[in-house]
Amino acid sequence: NAGVTQTPKFQVLKTGQSMTLQCAQDMNHEYMSWYRQDPGMGLRLIHYSVGAGITDQGEVPNGYNVSRSTTEDFPLRLLSAAPSQTSVYFCASKRLGPGPTDTQYFGPGTRLTVL
Amino acid sequence: QQQVKQSPQSLIVQKGGISIINCAYENTAFDYFPWYQQFPGKGPALLIAIRPDVSEKKEGRFTISFNKSAKQFSLHIMDSQPGDSATYFCAAAHSGTYKYIFGTGTRLKVLA
Repeated sequence: NAGVTQTPKFQVLKTGQSMTLQCAQDMNHEYMSWYRQDPGMGLRLIHYSVGAGITDQGEVPNGYNVSRSTTEDFPLRLLSAAPSQTSVYFCASKRLGPGPTDTQYFGPGTRLTVL
Repeated sequence: QQQVKQSPQSLIVQKGGISIINCAYENTAFDYFPWYQQFPGKGPALLIAIRPDVSEKKEGRFTISFNKSAKQFSLHIMDSQPGDSATYFCAAAHSGTYKYIFGTGTRLKVLA
């Protein structure tokens, strides 16, 4: 049971490049989410999903796309990277349950630098 | 209305002391308040959580105190240990939505 895995661990992009951050979980969790973590800003929700084919926006969705074709995978796409997207990105998952309770499990993160 | 304000930004405590981190929220619809612990280079991990129908929850050395009327909640770490040195985040969410709002984090250092 690997939990939540993220690839790559580190990535450097040039402005305007596109890339996909991968996230997978093996706990059969319906809920998956993406956060970015910036110094002094805490974690901010980018997008989340409550099941295959269902996604919704969080606090800071601009510049990011997501899709959820399987329960296990929830990739985050940067269409045209900007220096403002330099951050550490975390994927998380949890059981859907009644409301927001139940433990949310985080992956180890991807550190992205956009030059 | 969606903010969660966390203080202090950093905290230094002697081994064996009590660490106290505070959070305040504005949205009265929030009904779930978790605390996360994050070590350098790792993802956050759930430490302890509380719902507003209780004023206090204790798990080992970690206690959440909740004041619904003041819209504040706090994390108390008793007998703080060097291994507790980490960044702590409070968060809030409400039933019917799955959007978690996080505080800005507190970097705790416990001196040996």
